[in-house]
Amino acid sequence: NAGVTQTPKFRVLKTGQSMTLLCAQDMNHEYMYWYRQDPGMGLRLIHYSVGEGTTAKGEVPDGYNVSRLKKQNFLLGLESAAPSQTSVYFCASSNYNEQFFGPGTRLTVL
Amino acid sequence: EDKVVQSPLSLVVHEGDTVTLNCSYEVTNFRSLLWYKQEKKAPTFLFMLTSSGIEKKSGRLSSILDKKELSSILNITATQTGDSAIYLCAVRAGGSTLGRLYFGRGTQLTVWP
Repeated sequence: NAGVTQTPKFRVLKTGQSMTLLCAQDMNHEYMYWYRQDPGMGLRLIHYSVGEGTTAKGEVPDGYNVSRLKKQNFLLGLESAAPSQTSVYFCASSNYNEQFFGPGTRLTVL
Repeated sequence: EDKVVQSPLSLVVHEGDTVTLNCSYEVTNFRSLLWYKQEKKAPTFLFMLTSSGIEKKSGRLSSILDKKELSSILNITATQTGDSAIYLCAVRAGGSTLGRLYFGRGTQLTVWP
């Protein structure tokens, strides 16, 4: 099992560009999550999904959109990137116990 | 407004020391509290606590939950340089937010040889 995978691992964008981060899990988990991590801020939840076709806002949803068209995939989109979105993005999945995290995507917006 | 507060935010010790990390929380309909260790990459799961007063142990690490005080501690005995990491506390609440975890800001532990 690959667990939780994320693509890409690194990306540099210019302000105003768009991009999509892909998260995939092969553990048949119902719940999936997108977090961002900034120095000294812990993990902040952007959006999450409690099942295929559902999404919900987390703590810091502004500037991001998500989709969960297939149970195993959770996509995070940035429509118009801003420097404030420079961060490390983690995807996670779970059933009802611990969350399993992907390796992270380091995004820099210039 | 933070629902999960960790202290201290950073801690520097020498190998062999014992450390205690604290986590306090304020959530409605508490379900469980989880501890994670984060080195340079993704957080890795350490413990999940649901019942008050029952200690969970794994080697030199142990954790206990106090539901009355709305808090948990993570103890690490005989610290090693490999224990250097960020330790994250997270709380799961029930109701409409079922499945979601609320994370604290983490404690950065540095262990010097």
